[in-house]
Amino acid sequence: DAKTTQPNSMESNEEEPVHLPCNHSTISGTDYIHWYRQLPSQGPEYVIHGLTSNVNNRMASLAIAEDRKSSTLILHRATLRDAAVYYCILRDVVRGGSSNTGKLIFGQGTTLQVKP
Amino acid sequence: DAGVTQSPTHLIKTRGQQVTLRCSPISGHKSVSWYQQVLGQGPQFIFQYYEKEERGRGNFPDRFSARQFPNYSSELNVNALLLGDSALYLCASSLLYNEQFFGPGTRLTVL
Repeated sequence: DAKTTQPNSMESNEEEPVHLPCNHSTISGTDYIHWYRQLPSQGPEYVIHGLTSNVNNRMASLAIAEDRKSSTLILHRATLRDAAVYYCILRDVVRGGSSNTGKLIFGQGTTLQVKP
Repeated sequence: DAGVTQSPTHLIKTRGQQVTLRCSPISGHKSVSWYQQVLGQGPQFIFQYYEKEERGRGNFPDRFSARQFPNYSSELNVNALLLGDSALYLCASSLLYNEQFFGPGTRLTVL
């Protein structure tokens, strides 16, 4: 399973943009880049995912490097409710027959603190 | 629409006992996955079930077992509980390879 590397923690000020980096130098061609976040005392929550092109949704943007060895989750205006642990996950949903679960392999993630 | 529900919310057991955790997926989702999250760490994959068949198993001992019912709800069983089994147990449902939707979890404490 391909691994990701994220900073342990980051700080941001409220209403400022936040760029959360993720390195995945061993990514394969069929790995999708997924981001989940976990707010305190809750289960993880899907944020965004992409394969090669940059992606935008109502929660965030995902910028993927041209060589796909790194990506950045962008929160355009951080709010206090965005304080959470953010997980960058590589998910292969193509390879391997019935044994391919598309399971999520969580690392330690990045703990984001948002200051008012 | 209701999200993923799990029961019970909290549970306290003693070493050697057995526990059953329950999960109801989002309506229309046929895949259920179970994860264990020890305090301070990311969730670890335990099982995935799809259409009542086990599709994947993480690196957990045989004391852990699960099943999925015809209505796609699922149970996770843990036998011979150890102190180290104390954790938050998360259930996630999905349309197999789409994004997973997590429940709030069951907090298990083993004394």
